[in-house]
Amino acid sequence: AQSVTQLDSQVPVFEEAPVELRCNYSSSVSVYLFWYVQYPNQGLQLLLKYLSGSTLVKGINGFEAEFNKSQTSFHLRKPSVHISDTAEYFCAVIFSSNTGKLIFGQGTTLQVKP
Amino acid sequence: DTAVSQTPKYLVTQMGNDKSIKCEQNLGHDTMYWYKQDSKKFLKIMFSYNNKELIINETVPNRFSPKSPDKAHLNLHINSLELGDSAVYFCASSQDFYTGELFFGEGSRLTVL
Repeated sequence: AQSVTQLDSQVPVFEEAPVELRCNYSSSVSVYLFWYVQYPNQGLQLLLKYLSGSTLVKGINGFEAEFNKSQTSFHLRKPSVHISDTAEYFCAVIFSSNTGKLIFGQGTTLQVKP
Repeated sequence: DTAVSQTPKYLVTQMGNDKSIKCEQNLGHDTMYWYKQDSKKFLKIMFSYNNKELIINETVPNRFSPKSPDKAHLNLHINSLELGDSAVYFCASSQDFYTGELFFGEGSRLTVL
């Protein structure tokens, strides 16, 4: 079955520390990969996406993610977080056999502490 | 000017009632979606329309009926509301069916008592 797993439900981190939010998917078909962010009481906003080409993609707000095909992973990183980064982060995948249908992971709550 | 707007933002109603949520996008996109976010923040696609044609219809109870009068609007009508329907419903749009780059509304929080 095609699925998306975010390995951490909550990630607490201090301000200015680096952070990595992990995402794995289970599929042997080609994929398109996305990270979305949801600030409290708001809708989701696209952070970055991987469609093809360079496996390291840069997004908004200083975030980046790396596609690792052999490990079927797409982990999100930021070298130095701010209080304002506190939000829910969702990894999402389009599996090529199911074009257009965006499947979301369970979400990771990033809590940035002062 | 909000790109994807949903009304109402909050909806509190009794079991058995019928309710509707409206969605409008002014981005000129061809594709619109309804997603349901449960209390554990899990997001699941319900429906998708492309150029007013239904293209995704997940295993959603028949009590849920989407309607797209034109490309810019996608409404969700729910009959005979149940406690388990309590959730946040998000409307989203994308330029086409393939990009995965969705623009979301702020959500409509439905509480069924």
